[in-house]
Amino acid sequence: EDQVTQSPEALRLQEGESSSLNCSYTVSGLRGLFWYRQDPGKGPEFLFTLYSAGEEKEKERLKATLTKKESFLHITAPKPEDSATYLCAVQASGTSGTYKYIFGTGTRLKVLA
Amino acid sequence: EAEVAQSPRYKITEKSQAVAFWCDPISGHATLYWYRQILGQGPELLVQFQDESVVDDSQLPKDRFSAERLKGVDSTLKIQPAELGDSAMYLCASSLVRWGAKNIQYFGAGTRLSVL
Repeated sequence: EDQVTQSPEALRLQEGESSSLNCSYTVSGLRGLFWYRQDPGKGPEFLFTLYSAGEEKEKERLKATLTKKESFLHITAPKPEDSATYLCAVQASGTSGTYKYIFGTGTRLKVLA
Repeated sequence: EAEVAQSPRYKITEKSQAVAFWCDPISGHATLYWYRQILGQGPELLVQFQDESVVDDSQLPKDRFSAERLKGVDSTLKIQPAELGDSAMYLCASSLVRWGAKNIQYFGAGTRLSVL
């Protein structure tokens, strides 16, 4: 069964304390992996997309990497404004030539000043 | 900056009533998605449209939920009758690429539904 698992469920960091969030997946026919940021009461905001193992993307204090089994979202010297839920989603082959999207449950990040 | 528009932002209804949510995707986006997100969980796909056609509604509870995108632009998701377990955030997303591959989805702000 296709599955996306994110860890940890919640993470508290001091401002400036770097860390990594993990997204592991078991899917057939991976087409792409997406990272989103979601603030309370709002819709997910697109951050990165990765398509092949070894690929890396960076944006400000965030860096996403991809292997054949998992992806990491590295946060360097985080600030309180980085506090949010970070969602990982996988696009995989579905039935009849379609594609399906599977989201993880997210990592709730809190950065303390 | 183009956005996915959703309305209403909040909806409170009583059990057994009908509710409807509206979504206007980013202009030119062929693919439209409706998701349900229960608090503390990730979004779960309910239905996916390619233009006006449904391409995936395997997770849509068809006995009470319906969705349409008549002219291939905006879309409506309806629940009739609503049940207590339907309380959740309903998210709409759209993507530019016509057929699946490398689709970046852009989300609206969502509709928070509370069923009393």
